[in-house]
Amino acid sequence: ILNVEQSPQSLHVQEGDSTNFTCSFPSSNFYALHWYRWETAKSPEALFVMTLNGDEKKKGRISATLNTKEGYSYLYIKGSQPEDSATYLCAPLLTGGGNKLTFGTGTQLKVEL
Amino acid sequence: KAGVTQTPRYLIKTRGQQVTLSCSPISGHRSVSWYQQTPGQGLQFLFEYFSETQRNKGNFPGRFSGRQFSNSRSEMNVSTLELGDSALYLCASSIEGGNLEKLFFGSGTQLSVL
Repeated sequence: ILNVEQSPQSLHVQEGDSTNFTCSFPSSNFYALHWYRWETAKSPEALFVMTLNGDEKKKGRISATLNTKEGYSYLYIKGSQPEDSATYLCAPLLTGGGNKLTFGTGTQLKVEL
Repeated sequence: KAGVTQTPRYLIKTRGQQVTLSCSPISGHRSVSWYQQTPGQGLQFLFEYFSETQRNKGNFPGRFSGRQFSNSRSEMNVSTLELGDSALYLCASSIEGGNLEKLFFGSGTQLSVL
């Protein structure tokens, strides 16, 4: 069983704050890492797929970095807005595992006015 | 372009019954994956279908099965329902099911087993 840990479990920030959270995964046999955003009452939405050590992806105010050697990824949100309130999920893929994503339990972000 | 459509949206069943959930992928997508979400658990992979063949399978008992039709629509079946099967079932589609492809999720079917 692939152990995927996300921290913190939940986070409350004020509008305009920048925030970040962590996804930790086993570094051996790493192939790729997916990030998804899941807003309440909606479907999970893909943010990034990352593969290379040191990779950095950006989408608007959201960015992510990847360290495959130590097995972690950071997701950053700059200048949080209420619409960023969601659960952020990461899911690593291992070599030989096909496209079987193993999701962490997520970081629940609430951005307050 | 229509998104991933799952039906029904909600379902209530009793223990011992069976249930069939349906998923229509985005047009042109040939890979369909199924996931289970229970409280406190991350999304758990059930199986993936591509070109009417099960290509990957998660660690679920044989009571959970699925199939895919020639138009890429997929169904998931759970037989002999147990209370613990109460969950949100999500399906996701992608073009080829490649490891680096983003998944497009449906809104899910919320199954309650009484």
